[in-house]
Amino acid sequence: GENVEQHPSTLSVQEGDSAVIKCTYSDSASNYFPWYKQELGKGPQLIIDIRSNVGEKKDQRIAVTLNKTAKHFSLHITETQPEDSAVYFCAASDRGSTLGRLYFGRGTQLTVWP
Amino acid sequence: DTGVSQNPRHKITKRGQNVTFRCDPISEHNRLYWYRQTLGQGPEFLTYFQNEAQLEKSRLLSDRFSAERPKGSFSTLEIQRTEQGDSAMYLCASSPPGTGNNEQFFGPGTRLTVL
Repeated sequence: GENVEQHPSTLSVQEGDSAVIKCTYSDSASNYFPWYKQELGKGPQLIIDIRSNVGEKKDQRIAVTLNKTAKHFSLHITETQPEDSAVYFCAASDRGSTLGRLYFGRGTQLTVWP
Repeated sequence: DTGVSQNPRHKITKRGQNVTFRCDPISEHNRLYWYRQTLGQGPEFLTYFQNEAQLEKSRLLSDRFSAERPKGSFSTLEIQRTEQGDSAMYLCASSPPGTGNNEQFFGPGTRLTVL
């Protein structure tokens, strides 16, 4: 099965700085890569995703990049705000399959200091 | 609220008891997933339904676990003879129909504590 590794496990930044979280995956068949934000006591919230036919995708302060050759993808958050503080998870899936299960990384606890 | 809903939000039970959780997916989402999340980990896949058919079960889903989606709408996850190791957050997610459309939207989860 797929194995997703995520780094770092914790990340502290000053408000206004950028934050970068990196993930690698093992299965070359994976072609869908979502990112989730999870706040304490809540379920994961889909914040952005990227498909394998795209190298980069941006949505306001959030961007994701994908390098299929190297099997890694990254989340970039610019102009961080205290409300960005949460646990972020990357995931990978073979969206072309009938199963579509997501394989998650272990998460990154992001803390943004005011 | 048109999101995924889960009930109960919290469940505390004694070891050996049976528990049942319910998930109501987003309307018209035909795919439904159950995941389990333990402290400090990402969600782990348990099982998947397309409409009422259960198409895959993870090896994590022991014989004590059973899931149903009888009419292709809501789903239930039952754990029999609970063990302390079953303590976790149980998450449900749903996904709309369509080939290659795999956005999964999660509910708030049911936190199970087995004493």
